[in-house]
Amino acid sequence: AQTVTQSQPEMSVQEAETVTLSCTYDTSESDYYLFWYKQPPSRQMILVIRQEAYKQQNATENRFSVNFQKAAKSFSLKISDSQLGDAAMYFCAYRSPENYGGATNKLIFGTGTLLAVQP
Amino acid sequence: ETGVTQTPRHLVMGMTNKKSLKCEQHLGHNAMYWYKQSAKKPLELMFVYNFKEQTENNSVPSRFSPECPNSSHLFLHLHTLQPEDSALYLCASSQMSSGGTDTQYFGPGTRLTVL
Repeated sequence: AQTVTQSQPEMSVQEAETVTLSCTYDTSESDYYLFWYKQPPSRQMILVIRQEAYKQQNATENRFSVNFQKAAKSFSLKISDSQLGDAAMYFCAYRSPENYGGATNKLIFGTGTLLAVQP
Repeated sequence: ETGVTQTPRHLVMGMTNKKSLKCEQHLGHNAMYWYKQSAKKPLELMFVYNFKEQTENNSVPSRFSPECPNSSHLFLHLHTLQPEDSALYLCASSQMSSGGTDTQYFGPGTRLTVL
């Protein structure tokens, strides 16, 4: 079974600095999808970034980028120029390749990293 | 309204009560999900509905009963719950399609407290 591990329960960063959140996963599949979700104190889970395993290029969304190391099964999130609004719980998630028409679309989540941004 | 909405946002109930959680998605998606989020634990998938058909019941106790009358609405009926069922219940939706990334979009959640 697939598992997702986030080894940093809490992280802190100064405003305008860069922080990296780590995520590792375990799978025997060769094709899959990886996600980072953000859950601010208001609780709405928001998609930050996603990565298809078959793509070698690391995904980037504005100040957010990932370092995807497929062989190492590592999927870290880098937040550049941190802002106060980035303070939230960040969840890494894994999804198997989709089997359209029958199988589920199960996301497997890590336990999350609580990011604090210091002014 | 846009996105995924959930009502109520907060619910306190006794162990003998019967209540229902409601989720509505305004994204035109064909799949909906219920997750349970407890403190210090990963989100746990409870149920999946694909085209209104339940495709997964992740070993959830029968005191939780889902209902999906159409692709836009999802309910979670609760009865004779236990205090350990207190958690944040999240609804999500996605567009299942062959070869697609099929990203899930979440609602704000219902904070449930069982006394």
